[in-house]
Amino acid sequence: DQQVKQNSPSLSVQEGRISILNCDYTNSMFDYFLWYKKYPAEGPTFLISISSIKDKNEDGRFTVFLNKSAKHLSLHIVPSQPGDSAVYFCAARRGSDRGSTLGRLYFGRGTQLTVWP
Amino acid sequence: DTGVSQNPRHKITKRGQNVTFRCDPISEHNRLYWYRQTLGQGPEFLTYFQNEAQLEKSRLLSDRFSAERPKGSFSTLEIQRTEQGDSAMYLCASSGGVTVAKNIQYFGAGTRLSVL
Repeated sequence: DQQVKQNSPSLSVQEGRISILNCDYTNSMFDYFLWYKKYPAEGPTFLISISSIKDKNEDGRFTVFLNKSAKHLSLHIVPSQPGDSAVYFCAARRGSDRGSTLGRLYFGRGTQLTVWP
Repeated sequence: DTGVSQNPRHKITKRGQNVTFRCDPISEHNRLYWYRQTLGQGPEFLTYFQNEAQLEKSRLLSDRFSAERPKGSFSTLEIQRTEQGDSAMYLCASSGGVTVAKNIQYFGAGTRLSVL
């Protein structure tokens, strides 16, 4: 059962424009969300995260928005650069559950972002 | 290099053989995780250690899979009697500390297993 869903397998954006990657989740127990970027033949690299007590977190060109009522988060990249071309994974962690607050992450299937010049 | 290190990077084996992978986490991290990733999927959780204690195991971790972290530092993942369905990228991650960064899992480059 896929508890974290990335419904767009791919996104193509022109350099300099905004990239918006979307993620939906089903488990209301998730309390922490992360975005990872992955290049071929490498492991996922952490980008940005957000706690469920916030609705926005910003780090340079990257901003993550969280809408808890809709169980939806999005990653905005402004401006997009060709080096941003990669697969982006949304991940979520379940909150206090048998004391396991720092346990497993649940991942979406990823969105391939292509930024063209 | 102070990141998560995984060895080997690639492993090709014949069906029925046993394989073992190693993960060295970031040195100050007390939590270590194993995930598996197949083509077109996101990483799927296998198991998780806090220090040397194995705290959680996924149903994906059949009895042919065993993971250890004997001294709370490096970890090994062994697959016995490999099957073609075990072919995947095996990822290790670690986390730790007391600041907000404790929430972040840092990944190694992975070990790609091909079972012929």
